[in-house]
Amino acid sequence: DAGVIQSPRHEVTEMGQEVTLRCKPISGHDYLFWYRQTMMRGLELLIYFNNNVPIDDSGMPEDRFSAKMPNASFSTLKIQPSEPRDSAVYFCASSLWGSSYNEQFFGPGTRLTVL
Amino acid sequence: DAKTTQPPSMDCAEGRAANLPCNHSTISGNEYVYWYRQIHSQGPQYIIHGLKNNETNEMASLIITEDRKSSTLILPHATLRDTAVYYCIVRVGGGGADGLTFGKGTHLIIQP
Repeated sequence: DAGVIQSPRHEVTEMGQEVTLRCKPISGHDYLFWYRQTMMRGLELLIYFNNNVPIDDSGMPEDRFSAKMPNASFSTLKIQPSEPRDSAVYFCASSLWGSSYNEQFFGPGTRLTVL
Repeated sequence: DAKTTQPPSMDCAEGRAANLPCNHSTISGNEYVYWYRQIHSQGPQYIIHGLKNNETNEMASLIITEDRKSSTLILPHATLRDTAVYYCIVRVGGGGADGLTFGKGTHLIIQP
């Protein structure tokens, strides 16, 4: 398996622009998570889905952030409009309910820079 | 999830055992101890987890005290590639059905 795939790996944009981050989870996994990592706040959970349905979005910082999962193999995290404080590494992870280790598999992340 | 406390950094000589402590004094009976690590510029990686018994896999060993208020992750023969931030996380078991709450972790530096 190719693991969790994220694109793009790096994104540089200007303040006010729309940014879309993409994630392909491991095939067969039924949970998908979005995390954000900054030096100041560390790793934070933003939102997670179960069977394509958002379960907990309490970590989404504000209305400028939205996430969707139109099918089991694709999810997006959108920021509109983007601000410099959104600069961070965004990780996507997936897991399978009931698996023996209950582990989450993380993608390589998308490094976002908002100028 | 219960809160965990870890030392911010540790050094270990290459080839020696690295012992990373974690305190979780408010852990509940149905909460597991999980360890993840994050190598620089990569996503976090699962290492091991346990409930109350000691556990061992190909990567590490996990020792949980009898009262479950603390645990130690052991990397038996540390290599330079083990340099990473190690996170101790306490969470309810149940198939990965919730997000992970990461603390600051321990930055383990393996010295040549």
